[in-house]
Amino acid sequence: ILNVEQSPQSLHVQEGDSTNFTCSFPSSNFYALHWYRWETAKSPEALFVMTLNGDEKKKGRISATLNTKEGYSYLYIKGSQPEDSATYLCAPMEYGQNFVFGPGTRLSVLP
Amino acid sequence: DADVTQTPRNRITKTGKRIMLECSQTKGHDRMYWYRQDPGLGLRLIYYSFDVKDINKGEISDGYSVSRQAQAKFSLSLESAIPNQTALYFCATSDSGDNQPQHFGDGTRLSIL
Repeated sequence: ILNVEQSPQSLHVQEGDSTNFTCSFPSSNFYALHWYRWETAKSPEALFVMTLNGDEKKKGRISATLNTKEGYSYLYIKGSQPEDSATYLCAPMEYGQNFVFGPGTRLSVLP
Repeated sequence: DADVTQTPRNRITKTGKRIMLECSQTKGHDRMYWYRQDPGLGLRLIYYSFDVKDINKGEISDGYSVSRQAQAKFSLSLESAIPNQTALYFCATSDSGDNQPQHFGDGTRLSIL
């Protein structure tokens, strides 16, 4: 089973602050990585699908980068808003395997 | 209406009981998945199916079984529930292809006393 780490486990930021967190995974045999956003009392929703080293994806104030050679992906949120409060899950995938979800980073944005 | 519907949403039952969780989808996706989520852990895959009657074990399949008799439905059974199966269970679907995002139901919170 793929070992997936996310850091930090949780963080609190003030409204308007920018923030970022990390997903780490074994770099060998990499195939793809997904980011999901999971709001409390709701279901996870897909944010990004990333496959190529150097990929950068953006959706509004949220963006993500991928480094498959060193085995990490960063998720950035610019100008955090209270509605960004959620748990952010990464899920890398190796060739021929299923996605493995990381434990998530819980973000709280304080007004 | 939700594209991926799980029933029931909440269930409390006793040790030893047989439980069935249902998942139905209107997205027309071939692939369906069952996950469980425990505090401090990521979503862990229990079983998945890529087509009708196709069944594959995930990371933590012991104590569970599934049935996929129709494209739109994927049910998860706990044959004899035990307390450490208390968790939040999610069903998900995805389109065919290895790199499609998954679409989740709202979850079933299961408590086994």
